[in-house]
Amino acid sequence: DGGITQSPKYLFRKEGQNVTLSCEQNLNHDAMYWYRQDPGQGLRLIYYSQIVNDFQKGDIAEGYSVSREKKESFPLTVTSAQKNPTAFYLCASSGSSYSSFYSNQPQHFGDGTRLSIL
Amino acid sequence: SQQGEEDPQALSIQEGENATMNCSYKTSINNLQWYRQNSGRGLVHLILIRSNEREKHSGRLRVTLDTSKKSSSLLITASRAADTASYFCATEPNFGNEKLTFGTGTRLTIIP
Repeated sequence: DGGITQSPKYLFRKEGQNVTLSCEQNLNHDAMYWYRQDPGQGLRLIYYSQIVNDFQKGDIAEGYSVSREKKESFPLTVTSAQKNPTAFYLCASSGSSYSSFYSNQPQHFGDGTRLSIL
Repeated sequence: SQQGEEDPQALSIQEGENATMNCSYKTSINNLQWYRQNSGRGLVHLILIRSNEREKHSGRLRVTLDTSKKSSSLLITASRAADTASYFCATEPNFGNEKLTFGTGTRLTIIP
């Protein structure tokens, strides 16, 4: 079955520690996204990537880093600089082509990683 | 920044009734999308309506779009307990960077 897999489902971070959230997709999608969701809130975009080896900051990139070395994978690192990391993190992908101007394509989501502070 | 705002924030109805949720947005869009999120899960895409469309149907879902009022509505007919979830609208801007901006969501509870 094609889809997006996020791991782990739950993650705990100690003070001063960096943690990495995994996101893998087998949908052959070009674009991938990381969102943060706080309780009772909508999604806020952290980073996105439209093609391998390229990514852009979203609305709340401070304290986070990403890489896109493979089309299938878009890991997110929550660094110690992110002072309020407790949230639900969602990864998504869409089939937009880098060369298309208008995508009109839906995003497919993983089931999220819940990050808490120890 | 939150482009879309859903209304109401929460809605409880009896099973079998219709549920209507509204979404307002601020800037010109290429399309507007509706997603469902069950508790503790990821979002599931429901329907996409392009800026040149006024109404779209998918099963028990009906979406309308009024670009002059910058608003959209999602109607779920003959609601079921399994429809209990949060519903989000998301807008894609018309300058083609494909980034979606999500609203704050409507929490729908279907009472059996």
